[in-house]
Amino acid sequence: SQKIEQNSEALNIQEGKTATLTCNYTNYSPAYLQWYRQDPGRGPVFLLLIRENEKEKRKERLKVTFDTTLKQSLFHITASQPADSATYLCALERDDKIIFGKGTRLHILP
Amino acid sequence: EADIYQTPRYLVIGTGKKITLECSQTMGHDKMYWYQQDPGMELHLIHYSYGVNSTEKGDLSSESTVSRIRTEHFPLTLESARPSHTSQYLCASSGRGAMVFEQFFGPGTRLTVL
Repeated sequence: SQKIEQNSEALNIQEGKTATLTCNYTNYSPAYLQWYRQDPGRGPVFLLLIRENEKEKRKERLKVTFDTTLKQSLFHITASQPADSATYLCALERDDKIIFGKGTRLHILP
Repeated sequence: EADIYQTPRYLVIGTGKKITLECSQTMGHDKMYWYQQDPGMELHLIHYSYGVNSTEKGDLSSESTVSRIRTEHFPLTLESARPSHTSQYLCASSGRGAMVFEQFFGPGTRLTVL
């Protein structure tokens, strides 16, 4: 069955630095991949989508890469701020549905 | 802020009770979803609908049922709640055109069954 792996440990990053989160997947070749942000007690919020024929996508301080050979996506937040602290979820398309990873908790330290 | 609403936000109920979790969206989206999420764990799809009178079970087996009589409304019902149903339930919808893949989530219902 399809498996999505994200950093299981929380990630602590100093304010102003770049945070990099990893999403690896197996047993499937999705047409696109998404990243969501989830704050405690709330529903996820969509951030970015990248298609299989795109190598990189940017939105303001966010950058996503998608390597279909490595079956990996990297999610970068540049010039990180304490307000970026949240759980970030990787999600893959499969059979017209979305499968979510467990997410990585990111703490930006002031 | 997404136009998708869930009520109640919190519910504490005794074993054996029948409950309905409400979900409504005002975006005219055809596709709607119910996810179950335990603390620190991934979202699991339990039900989805591609339009009125269309409902399907998701990847995670669930004793709940859903209905889709109107485009904007996708309620989830548990006929007899049990402690194992304690979890967070998240409703989502997705639309057409350029935004067809983005899912909009409601705030969730945190259910506790005693």
